[in-house]
Amino acid sequence: RKEVEQDPGPFNVPEGATVAFNCTYSNSASQSFFWYRQDCRKEPKLLMSVYSSGNEDGRFTAQLNRASQYISLLIRDSKLSDSATYLCVVNVGGGYNKLIFGAGTRLAVHP
Amino acid sequence: NAGVTQTPKFRILKIGQSMTLQCTQDMNHNYMYWYRQDPGMGLKLIYYSVGAGITDKGEVPNGYNVSRSTTEDFPLRLELAAPSQTSVYFCASRINEKLFFGSGTQLSVL
Repeated sequence: RKEVEQDPGPFNVPEGATVAFNCTYSNSASQSFFWYRQDCRKEPKLLMSVYSSGNEDGRFTAQLNRASQYISLLIRDSKLSDSATYLCVVNVGGGYNKLIFGAGTRLAVHP
Repeated sequence: NAGVTQTPKFRILKIGQSMTLQCTQDMNHNYMYWYRQDPGMGLKLIYYSVGAGITDKGEVPNGYNVSRSTTEDFPLRLELAAPSQTSVYFCASRINEKLFFGSGTQLSVL
């Protein structure tokens, strides 16, 4: 089993739709969680951290379920500019030097 | 503010050749990382450094070497290039929980 698993997609959605991705992790000792966004052939950029109580940043909502060992990302009112690959990242050790990246979920938003 | 700068952006090597991927950051971050990303895969950590003079292996260090003589620079050395090292390489620096990535180097070994 991979340490961090994501549905590769693609998720094809129309503008304005709500879409959600899940990411499962295998290490129950994982300490912190993040979503990164990666545009085609570009470098990843931090989208948001995921906090235990869940957190929201504009149209984006991240949630953590420690019991079931998954995190989720919800995007409301999708924009064309949201088209990208979303990487789930899990910190399995202290000091952020053991970050495990998922392979990513590809989102394509169409008019 | 340049952030993290990687050179070159593209490179083709022959099997057995050597090269150095350059990485420099101007944010005075202590922590720096080298990742590789194969198609359809997540990023894999090659080496990392917690400060000048200190480096450590990541998940996939074989075939690579690094040095960290200054806070700014963290070059990655491939000594004997192999086709399995064909990948996109990203350098990153970190402050608190946030990674800042360079724009990547696409390397092909033929």
